[in-house]
Parts: sequence; C-alpha cells; structure tokens
Amino acid sequence: DAGVIQSPRHEVTEMGQEVTLRCKPISGHDYLFWYRQTMMRGLELLIYFNNNVPIDDSGMPEDRFSAKMPNASFSTLKIQPSEPRDSAVYFCASSPGQGKNEKLFFGSGTQLSVL
Amino acid sequence: DAKTTQPNSMESNEEEPVHLPCNHSTISGTDYIHWYRQLPSQGPEYVIHGLTSNVNNRMASLAIAEDRKSSTLILHRATLRDAAVYYCILRTQGGSEKLVFGKGTKLTVNP
Repeated sequence: DAGVIQSPRHEVTEMGQEVTLRCKPISGHDYLFWYRQTMMRGLELLIYFNNNVPIDDSGMPEDRFSAKMPNASFSTLKIQPSEPRDSAVYFCASSPGQGKNEKLFFGSGTQLSVL
Repeated sequence: DAKTTQPNSMESNEEEPVHLPCNHSTISGTDYIHWYRQLPSQGPEYVIHGLTSNVNNRMASLAIAEDRKSSTLILHRATLRDAAVYYCILRTQGGSEKLVFGKGTKLTVNP
C-alpha cells in the first residue's frame, strides 16, 4: 500500500487566495483526520471523518476553513480566503476503524505558505 | 482526554539505550498508552502502545508502571535515525477516536 497520500507537497499562495489541500487515505480505512502543525501550537486536530461523515470539527479555526470527504478515497481541506497566519504544515491521517488501540497512519504533509 | 507530561528534550549517544519517560497520573482504567514519533520533515508515525503489560516490538519497548501512572518508552540502541520528537498519548475511554498530541520530547542522538 502507498500509504496516505497528500498533495500538493508544498503550496505557496498570496493572502486572499483560495487554497485546497488534498488527501487520499489508505484503502479500507474508515477514519480520516486533518491536523495542522505550527511551531507555536504544535499538532492540532482540525476535523475528523468516520465513513465519510464529519464527526468532530471543533478544531476548525474559523469559517474560512472547510473540509469535505465526498467518498472513501478522497478528502479536501479548503481555506478561503487564506491569511498569513494559516501558514503551517497540514497533515492528513487515516485509521482502520474504531477502537482505542487503533493506529493512525499519517501522510507526509502539505507545507503551506501564505504571503 | 487525560493529560500526559513529558520532558521537553533529552539527549542520548548513538548505540546507547534511551529511556523516554511519560507521566499520566490521571489515567483511567481502560486508557491505552500510545507512543508516536515524528522524524524531521515527516508526519508522525506509530511506535507502540499498551494497556497494562509491558510491550515489545521491532521499534521499541514500552514499560508501564504497576499503578499505570507512568510509562517509559525504551529504545534499546539509539541510532541517528531515532532523532525525533516522541509523543506519549492516552486514548480515553468514552472519548472519541481522535488522537490529541501534546508537545512531546525532542530526542537528540549524538554520534
């Protein structure tokens, strides 16, 4: 298996532009997570899905952020409009299923720079 | 979720054992103890997890105190490739499936 695949690997954009980050989870995994990592705040969970349904979006910073999972093999995280403070590394992770001993598998991340 | 406390940083020499501590005094009876690590410029990766008994796998060992209020991740022979941030995380009974990361311990391995 190729693991969790994220694209793009790097994104540089200007303030005010729309940014879309993409994630392909591991096939057969029921859970998908979006995290953001900055030096100041560390790794923060933004939102997670179970069977394509958003379960907890309490970590989404504001209405400029939205996430979708139209099918089991694809998810997007959109920022519109983007701001310099959104600059961070965004990670997607997937997990096989329910259970407190289930592992999360992370992608390599998208490095976002908003100028 | 129950909290964990880890030292901010630790240093080790190559090929020596490393013991990374984690305190979790408010752990509940059915909380699992998970360890992840994050190598530079990569996403976190699973290392090991346990409930009550000590656990071993190809990457590391996990020693859990009898009262479960603390645990130690053991790297038996550190290599330069083990330099990473190590996160100790509890998955709480009744909690959701999300994994909440703290600040972790940054491990430096000296050649």
